[in-house]
Amino acid sequence: EAQVTQNPRYLITVTGKKLTVTCSQNMNHEYMSWYRQDPGLGLRQIYYSMNVEVTDKGDVPEGYKVSRKEKRNFPLILESPSPNQTSLYFCASSFTGAWNTEAFFGQGTRLTVV
Amino acid sequence: SQQGEEDPQALSIQEGENATMNCSYKTSINNLQWYRQNSGRGLVHLILIRSNEREKHSGRLRVTLDTSKKSSSLLITASRAADTASYFCATALNTGGFKTIFGAGTRLFVKA
Repeated sequence: EAQVTQNPRYLITVTGKKLTVTCSQNMNHEYMSWYRQDPGLGLRQIYYSMNVEVTDKGDVPEGYKVSRKEKRNFPLILESPSPNQTSLYFCASSFTGAWNTEAFFGQGTRLTVV
Repeated sequence: SQQGEEDPQALSIQEGENATMNCSYKTSINNLQWYRQNSGRGLVHLILIRSNEREKHSGRLRVTLDTSKKSSSLLITASRAADTASYFCATALNTGGFKTIFGAGTRLFVKA
């Protein structure tokens, strides 16, 4: 089954404790992206990757890191989480990054930083 | 800043009625997509419309695109309670890579 898998689905952590949210897709997609969703703000792009070893900043990259060492994986790293990073996070992938094919989304990771 | 802005923010209708949601954007686009999100879950792609298309249909969905007004609309005909969800339009900026921009969404509630 074609899918984007995020883990964990729920995470409560403390300020400053490094964490990684994993994202994996099984569709051989070139383009992968991370978003955060906050009430009233829709989805805001954090980072995206056009292909392996190619990443770029979205609208809200501060406080986040990503890497794309393999085509299927695109982990999101919070080196020192802060309470303002409490949010619902989504990973997505699509065949190309030209926004001319549909994007597939993971089920989301609800992160709470206390 | 948000490229896509949906209007209205929330919409409540009776089952069987039509629901229309609008989206405006600021810069030139190649394509515009509409997505649906059930409460707190991942987004699901509904329809893609290219900049050289004016209208597109998929089942009970009808999407229009007016590039001169930088706006798009999503019409859901004969709505059902199961259509209750949030709907987002999304575009992409060609910045060398492709930065995607989602609007804040329209929350649709269909009463049975």
